[in-house]
Amino acid sequence: AQKITQTQPGMFVQEKEAVTLDCTYDTSDQSYGLFWYKQPSSGEMIFLIYQGSYDEQNATEGRYSLNFQKARKSANLVISASQLGDSAMYFCAMREGGSGTYKYIFGTGTRLKVLA
Amino acid sequence: GAGVSQSPSNKVTEKGKDVELRCDPISGHTALYWYRQSLGQGLEFLIYFQGNSAPDKSGLPSDRFSAERTGGSVSTLTIQRTQQEDSAVYLCASSPKKRPKRDTEAFFGQGTRLTVV
Repeated sequence: AQKITQTQPGMFVQEKEAVTLDCTYDTSDQSYGLFWYKQPSSGEMIFLIYQGSYDEQNATEGRYSLNFQKARKSANLVISASQLGDSAMYFCAMREGGSGTYKYIFGTGTRLKVLA
Repeated sequence: GAGVSQSPSNKVTEKGKDVELRCDPISGHTALYWYRQSLGQGLEFLIYFQGNSAPDKSGLPSDRFSAERTGGSVSTLTIQRTQQEDSAVYLCASSPKKRPKRDTEAFFGQGTRLTVV
């Protein structure tokens, strides 16, 4: 079964508008971390935001916020005031805490295109 | 070094040859990961090293793939008898030891683009 599911292969958003990228996850652990990365066409992986499973507040980092709904096991990324430079591939990832092996599991990604 | 360093950045090899990909993690990072990314796809986990513990090799796709990490630092991913389907970008990442209260992100290298012809 997929541990991380990103159902939107591609998304378009108008410049200056907000966009939500979906991510759902599957784990039986109580302790886990959720991450979002951006991968521009240059190929580098850029860390954006982190949410811990015990964090009560949604994480925010500048124009990025994470809409964490624990009961629904979703961790959607919200980008406000989109910019042309936000056009990239976005990956959701999870790192479980209780299994003894702490690898990061990635989703298949969402390709975001910001339109001028 | 300042970041995760991978070499070579590009490698073209003939089918059937062996290749070695190198990863220099961030100094002091105890965890090291290898991922494979085929064109336009997500990141496929290959192997994970944590300190002196036995590595998690559960993602290696076949016995042609192996990896080692010497002295808890530099890692080498070896692909024997390469096949065309091995063509991909191989990404290495490192992270500090997982903290109980607040986890830490993985820091990625620029990757090695492997092309098997």
